Amino acid sequence: ETGVTQTPRHLVMGMTNKKSLKCEQHLGHNAMYWYKQSAKKPLELMFVYSLEERVENNSVPSRFSPECPNSSHLFLHLHTLQPEDSALYLCASSQDTASGGRPYNEQFFGPGTRLTVL
Amino acid sequence: GDSVTQMEGPVTLSEEAFLTINCTYTATGYPSLFWYVQYPGEGLQLLLKATKADDKGSNKGFEATYRKETTSFHLEKGSVQVSDSAVYFCALNTNAGKSTFGDGTTLTVKP
Repeated sequence: ETGVTQTPRHLVMGMTNKKSLKCEQHLGHNAMYWYKQSAKKPLELMFVYSLEERVENNSVPSRFSPECPNSSHLFLHLHTLQPEDSALYLCASSQDTASGGRPYNEQFFGPGTRLTVL
Repeated sequence: GDSVTQMEGPVTLSEEAFLTINCTYTATGYPSLFWYVQYPGEGLQLLLKATKADDKGSNKGFEATYRKETTSFHLEKGSVQVSDSAVYFCALNTNAGKSTFGDGTTLTVKP
């Protein structure tokens, strides 16, 4: 138990569906992240939020839309996905360096949402 | 830019064998270094860390030493168990708060 929860754990959706992934952290951190982990590919950072503002967007297609309503919650809204978007989506949190955290503060990961796009 | 290069897998060992997974990095300044582990069906979790040169991180029998002169942070364990089978990621954080992960090394330990 890392203090970061993700729901749902598994999601199967068609290409025309709209769904959302939810992440919640109970650690008092002020930065949250979305990663994509595909088989046989490196971990891909998608979005970074610090103090509820998006500070990084790594050329992610617009069919992925993040939302961070407060420092404890992070959503990833999905629409019109493609089969190649099937992957494990990981959420993480940390104490952001720019806001008084330290560079040695590690990220705490949730268990991930296994997404399958049919 | 910052980068982390770790030993390609998969690595297959027999129980009680010695493990080394190599990790080297490129970064500006003085990064902090980490090893994360991902067990099947789970997210990543911190295994150990080191925040300055010559620091040794250790946990669950695993060790890694921050070597600034060789820009390395190799993971070692003297006697692996079947339960150590997992994917291991080397990572760094810079003073700017940016994290960089290696590609991951899959370890399988056979009885």
